[in-house]
Amino acid sequence: DAKTTQPTSMDCAEGRAANLPCNHSTISGNEYVYWYRQIHSQGPQYIIHGLKNNETNEMASLIITEDRKSSTLILPHATLRDTAVYYCIVRAPFQGGSEKLVFGKGMKLTVNP
Amino acid sequence: DSGVTQTPKHLITATGQRVTLRCSPRSGDLSVYWYQQSLDQGLQFLIQYYNGEERAKGNILERFSAQQFPDLHSELNLSSLELGDSALYFCASSPGVAGPGEQFFGPGTRLTVL
Repeated sequence: DAKTTQPTSMDCAEGRAANLPCNHSTISGNEYVYWYRQIHSQGPQYIIHGLKNNETNEMASLIITEDRKSSTLILPHATLRDTAVYYCIVRAPFQGGSEKLVFGKGMKLTVNP
Repeated sequence: DSGVTQTPKHLITATGQRVTLRCSPRSGDLSVYWYQQSLDQGLQFLIQYYNGEERAKGNILERFSAQQFPDLHSELNLSSLELGDSALYFCASSPGVAGPGEQFFGPGTRLTVL
């Protein structure tokens, strides 16, 4: 699985958009980009995933560059409850094998009032 | 609420003891994963089961074992516990069919070994 690089931490003002970057320059053609977050010591929460196209759901948007070497998770209107560690993970799709997630150190997002 | 349940929420025990952590996956999910999160190691994959069969092993100690039952719930057994086994243990499940295979995590079990 390709490795990812994220900043260690980022601050964002409440109500503003939070743009969380991730580099994955060695991503393979069939690998997806996943974003999870972990609020305090809760279980990691799935946010969104994408392959090539930009994706949006009720939680966030995912923008993947055309060369797929980097992506940005966008929280359009950050709230205090979005303060968490965000993990960008690249992994192949489920094909009947081991689809474990390899978590790096992630990026701590702090949303300030 | 992810739909994945784990019991117990907290467990305090002594060194040398044995404990069992339980996980119920989301309805219909065939794959169950176990992860350990300690302060110094971050989130680490331990083991995966798919429809009752072990599919992959990660950094799981020999003192640890797991199984997935016919009703698809899973148990993680930790024996001869050491202080260093104190951690959060998370279970995750995924559909187990071809596709992205996003995983959904339970709330975790916090194990404290005294």
